[in-house]
Amino acid sequence: DAGITQSPRHKVTETGTPVTLRCHQTENHRYMYWYRQDPGHGLRLIHYSYGVKDTDKGEVSDGYSVSRSKTEDFLLTLESATSSQTSVYFCAISESSRSGNTGELFFGEGSRLTVL
Amino acid sequence: SQQGEEDPQALSIQEGENATMNCSYKTSINNLQWYRQNSGRGLVHLILIRSNEREKHSGRLRVTLDTSKKSSSLLITASRAADTASYFCKETSGSRLTFGEGTQLTVNP
Repeated sequence: DAGITQSPRHKVTETGTPVTLRCHQTENHRYMYWYRQDPGHGLRLIHYSYGVKDTDKGEVSDGYSVSRSKTEDFLLTLESATSSQTSVYFCAISESSRSGNTGELFFGEGSRLTVL
Repeated sequence: SQQGEEDPQALSIQEGENATMNCSYKTSINNLQWYRQNSGRGLVHLILIRSNEREKHSGRLRVTLDTSKKSSSLLITASRAADTASYFCKETSGSRLTFGEGTQLTVNP
């Protein structure tokens, strides 16, 4: 199994509080991603990173920010959590190759966030 | 949206039967991948098919790709109860890595 650890695995918080989810990898992969998974919506990309301090928005980035200060860590922050951000969040990583990024993803086990 | 879309949304079969699920997408792709997700777990990569390939096999899995129809199919032969999971297709076009909503497969013993 790819070395990907998400923390915390479960969190319950209140509306308006800040929340940070952490993704840690031991594979030295260049690309890291944050997805959220919701019934009826599948997996949607929030933000992704293509290197240290290099990040870009996905399709549902509003209300989220990310940071990547080290290759191994990718943080997802909800500055002021809302009930609509109740979801399961997945971190994923992929490696680059000489022929370009194939896009094969390795996933963490998910972080279940409940915002009351 | 560029996301792949799986069909059917749910599929229930008996152990030993074959399961076929389909994926459609909207734009040109570099490759298309299939993933499995067991309940409460992260997704696991199953197989990748490149845009210049038409068919690929891996064990009991067979994937086809029809770029003229912008569609792909995943066939699981001789299904087992352990194949019960959600299956997702993911297209890769440029830097976008988008998923469909998945097919929930239930294999009854």
